[in-house]
Amino acid sequence: DAGVIQSPRHEVTEMGQEVTLRCKPISGHDYLFWYRQTMMRGLELLIYFNNNVPIDDSGMPEDRFSAKMPNASFSTLKIQPSEPRDSAVYFCASSLRPTSGAGEQFFGPGTRLTVL
Amino acid sequence: EDQVTQSPEALRLQEGESSSLNCSYTVSGLRGLFWYRQDPGKGPEFLFTLYSAGEEKEKERLKATLTKKESFLHITAPKPEDSATYLCAVQARKAAGNKLTFGGGTRVLVKP
Repeated sequence: DAGVIQSPRHEVTEMGQEVTLRCKPISGHDYLFWYRQTMMRGLELLIYFNNNVPIDDSGMPEDRFSAKMPNASFSTLKIQPSEPRDSAVYFCASSLRPTSGAGEQFFGPGTRLTVL
Repeated sequence: EDQVTQSPEALRLQEGESSSLNCSYTVSGLRGLFWYRQDPGKGPEFLFTLYSAGEEKEKERLKATLTKKESFLHITAPKPEDSATYLCAVQARKAAGNKLTFGGGTRVLVKP
C-alpha cells in the first residue's frame, strides 16, 4: 500500500486567498483525521471522519476552516480566507476501527502551508 | 481531560550513549499508549502500542515500557540515524473513534 497521500506538499499563498489541502487515506481504513502542527502548539486534532461522516470538528479553529470527505478515498481541508497565523504543517492520518486493542493512526507526509 | 507530558524537550547524545525518554500521562481509562517517530519534513511514523502496565515492546535499539502513570522509551547504544523527534500519545478507553492526545515530543540528536 502507498500509505496516506497528501497534496500539495508545499503551498505558499497570500493572505485572503483560498487554500485547499487534499488527502487520500489508506484503502480500507474507516477513520480519517486532519491535524495541524506548529512549534508552539504541537500536533492538534482539527477534525475526524468515520466512514466519510464528520464526527468531531471541535478542533477546527474557526469558520474559515472546513473539511469534506465525499468518498472513502478522498478528503479536503479548505481555508477561506487564509491568514498568516494559519501557517503550519497540516497532516492527514487514517486508521482502522479496531476489532481489539487500540486503533493506530498512520500519517501522511504533510502539507507545509505558508501564508504571506 | 487527557494530558500527556514528555521530557526532556530535547536530548543530545553521543553515539553509543544509552538514554531514556519519559512520557507522563493522565487519562480516564487507558485504551492504548502510542510511540511515534518523526523525522524533519515528514509525518509521524508509528513505532509501538502499549496496552497495560508492565508491558514492554522492542524494535531494534528502541524499547518502550509502560506503568500506570508513565511510559519510557529507552534508546540503547544509539546511532546518528536514531536522531528524530519522538512523540507519545494516549487513547482513552471511552475516546470516540480512535482519537489520540499527543505530547509535545522529545527531540533527540545523536552525534557521531
